[in-house]
Amino acid sequence: QSVLTQPPSASATPGQRVTISCSGSSSNIGSGPVNWYHQLPGAAPKLLIHTNNQRPSGVPDRFSGSKSGTSASLAISGLQSEDEADYYCGAWDDSLNGYVFGTGTKVTVL
Amino acid sequence: EVQLVDSGGGLVQPGGSLRLSCEASGFTFNTYSLTWVRQAPGKGLEWVSYISYSGRTIYYADSVKGRFTISRDNAKNSLYLQMNSLRVEDTAVYYCAREAVLKSGDFDYWGQGTLVTVSS
Repeated sequence: QSVLTQPPSASATPGQRVTISCSGSSSNIGSGPVNWYHQLPGAAPKLLIHTNNQRPSGVPDRFSGSKSGTSASLAISGLQSEDEADYYCGAWDDSLNGYVFGTGTKVTVL
Repeated sequence: EVQLVDSGGGLVQPGGSLRLSCEASGFTFNTYSLTWVRQAPGKGLEWVSYISYSGRTIYYADSVKGRFTISRDNAKNSLYLQMNSLRVEDTAVYYCAREAVLKSGDFDYWGQGTLVTVSS
């Protein structure tokens, strides 16, 4: 059972901006870095944003992350058709002594 | 080039055992912590287990604690997951992943996944 809550879906037309929220608690998002992953159908997840707002090499600057208190968000600007995927936030949880993923958000490009 | 190759999945009856492997290449294996993540059919990601670069720190999700054992062989550049007392709800694709920075949770490289099906 995920302890990080995300909206199940988000959508926008090409070129628009979409934002995905990730709500946690003081034992996870509130006490450490948040990471974001995306997953295309049938493929392994890929790291999209690490340490709240850092993009790994090769990730376009259309993707940005932020964190405030016990919540985090991922923004995709200039939405493209290839951005259709499932997106997950993740963080370590000090109370559970384990890593927790968000419930996942399916992004659809209309 | 960093590569993680998962293997060992298959069909097993409830109560049975399976051992997954993850063979790594392209990086200094003994300096990175590793994790197992699974995904049941049509479901989201679920973290399973974690082992530090030295093997001295290990964590498990409550759902697998006491049944699964994570280990690593730094001489063979390999990660393992011994799964015992398997249940139908353990059916999933299992991925190994590398953690870029200790206890940061930034899993930067993933294996392709191996499917475990628990069914009678």
